Amino acid sequence: DSGVTQTPKHLITATGQRVTLRCSPRSGDLSVYWYQQSLDQGLQFLIQYYNGEERAKGNILERFSAQQFPDLHSELNLSSLELGDSALYFCASSSHIQGGNSPLHFGNGTRLTVT
Amino acid sequence: AQKITQTQPGMFVQEKEAVTLDCTYDTSDPSYGLFWYKQPSSGEMIFLIYQGSYDQQNATEGRYSLNFQKARKSANLVISASQLGDSAMYFCAIEGFSGGYNKLIFGAGTRLAVHP
Repeated sequence: DSGVTQTPKHLITATGQRVTLRCSPRSGDLSVYWYQQSLDQGLQFLIQYYNGEERAKGNILERFSAQQFPDLHSELNLSSLELGDSALYFCASSSHIQGGNSPLHFGNGTRLTVT
Repeated sequence: AQKITQTQPGMFVQEKEAVTLDCTYDTSDPSYGLFWYKQPSSGEMIFLIYQGSYDQQNATEGRYSLNFQKARKSANLVISASQLGDSAMYFCAIEGFSGGYNKLIFGAGTRLAVHP
């Protein structure tokens, strides 16, 4: 058990809809990362937050947004969903903002299916 | 920018034998870290091993060792005495230490199948 909690585990929704994925980091970790894993794209970095502030953006679509709350949990909002958004969405956390041998600890992911 | 290349989409190994999973990387950062993660069929991402670019010795964690060749920009994962439970996807990842953040960039992965 990594200590990172993601809910829900599975989500099935229709095109055009909006969903919210939730992540609770490991106790004490200030950094939260979101990754998207699809069959044809591999693991793609979406966005990182550190102690409530956005620190890095990757290949995140404008239809997607995220935030980290004062209690350090994070939410990833996906709107105007398309079939291609179907993927496994991972949240990860770490204790550091930069560098060192502090690995990212991943949650079990949320599997999103858009029909 | 960082890039990871894993050239082996799939690998097979006999139980109890050793296997090497290849990983090459490219980065402009003078200081960086290399990670390996395992993803079993159940989907979770499990951290295996870490190598810092300035570490003098190759990292080892139990049956896992990282064959780090800095000049060749390679960071191969060696799994000794393979077990059936090692069957999974394996991802190599790189983290650059400049820019104030430590996002990981992943390779495409290698699917390892361990045969009895």
